Amino acid sequence: AQTVTQSQPEMSVQEAETVTLSCTYDTSESDYYLFWYKQPPSRQMILVIRQEAYKQQNATENRFSVNFQKAAKSFSLKISDSQLGDAAMYFCAYIPVWGGSQGNLIFGKGTKLSVKP
Amino acid sequence: ETGVTQSPTHLIKTRGQQVTLRCSSQSGHNTVSWYQQALGQGPQFIFQYYREEENGRGNFPPRFSGLQFPNYSSELNVNALELDDSALYLCASSLGTGSSYNEQFFGPGTRLTVL
Repeated sequence: AQTVTQSQPEMSVQEAETVTLSCTYDTSESDYYLFWYKQPPSRQMILVIRQEAYKQQNATENRFSVNFQKAAKSFSLKISDSQLGDAAMYFCAYIPVWGGSQGNLIFGKGTKLSVKP
Repeated sequence: ETGVTQSPTHLIKTRGQQVTLRCSSQSGHNTVSWYQQALGQGPQFIFQYYREEENGRGNFPPRFSGLQFPNYSSELNVNALELDDSALYLCASSLGTGSSYNEQFFGPGTRLTVL
């Protein structure tokens, strides 16, 4: 079975500092996507960053970057220069590229990030 | 461009009742996926509709059913509500091909409370 595990229920970071959120996953597929989603108190799930498994280069989006280790099945999110607006629940998610239920994003349980001024 | 919208925002029902939740997909999108997010958990996939047909289903009982209309909006129906159905229900729309992943855009969700 495909699973996504986030081992940090809560994290805290000082404003302007850097924080890393961890995620591991389990799959027998070779082609898949990995995502980090942000869910603020407004509840709307927002895509932060996406990684295609066939790409060795780690994805970056402004202050957000990932460390993708395919062999270790690890996918961490680094947030640099943290801002108060980064406070939210962060979910790691996985989906195979082909086959199965195409809508079937598999989410971890989430990490609640607090940002201290 | 209009994003994904859901109605109602909040809903309170009693055990045994039936509920219908609605989702309007983003303009140009033909695929809607529904997820259930229990408190303190990540979303879990319920089912997906692609061009008015069910295109995949998660591990949810048959009392969870859905529809997609010609304008690609969608409904989620839950019969015989149970206390454990209390959750945030998210829908996500995408421009799908029915056979591979395309980015999903989420709505703000409907918070269902079952008493």
